[in-house]
Amino acid sequence: SQTIHQWPATLVQPVGSPLSLECTVEGTSNPNLYWYRQAAGRGLQLLFYSVGIGQISSEVPQNLSASRPQDRQFILSSKKLLLSDSGFYLCAWTSGIDEQFFGPGTRLTVL
Amino acid sequence: AQSVSQHNHHVILSEAASLELGCNYSYGGTVNLFWYVQYPGQHLQLLLKYFSGDPLVKGIKGFEAEFIKSKFSFNLRKPSVQWSDTAEYFCAVSSVTGGGNKLTFGTGTQLKVEL
Repeated sequence: SQTIHQWPATLVQPVGSPLSLECTVEGTSNPNLYWYRQAAGRGLQLLFYSVGIGQISSEVPQNLSASRPQDRQFILSSKKLLLSDSGFYLCAWTSGIDEQFFGPGTRLTVL
Repeated sequence: AQSVSQHNHHVILSEAASLELGCNYSYGGTVNLFWYVQYPGQHLQLLLKYFSGDPLVKGIKGFEAEFIKSKFSFNLRKPSVQWSDTAEYFCAVSSVTGGGNKLTFGTGTQLKVEL
């Protein structure tokens, strides 16, 4: 069966520090991968998605970037965090047009 | 661009009460529709989905939703809620012709069921 992992589960970082959040999927190949940010009262906002290795589409301009170095690995990064980057980050995957499966999320607090 | 509106941000019900959560979307083409649920401390998970066919779809835990194309709506219903239904509910739309199967989510509805 397929599983999706995210780490770390929680992270507290100072403003201006770098960020690297990792997402890996097991049990499937060539998935579409997604990064969302969930904010209270604002639902889930799609940040990036990838349909293959090295292929990244950005949905909103922001201080973050994404990379997909391997088929089942998706990384969310920042060179310098802002206070506004605080939030709950979710990774998801799908094999096609069907439902997306979500990871457990990372709670990021920027101080 | 697609958008999804969920009209109720916070709903409080007593056990056994009936539930209906509104969801409206805007998109000119063919869509797939989803309701996701996030129980406290758990992953976001699929409650039910509509792709085609019978516009009344049934999901897990006694939930159902009706797709009304003329109203661009996909409201979620449950005849009798339980305390364990306390969770946040998200409506989402996926455009069939779009690349990468992108989901657009509503802002969510926080449901609290009281004993």
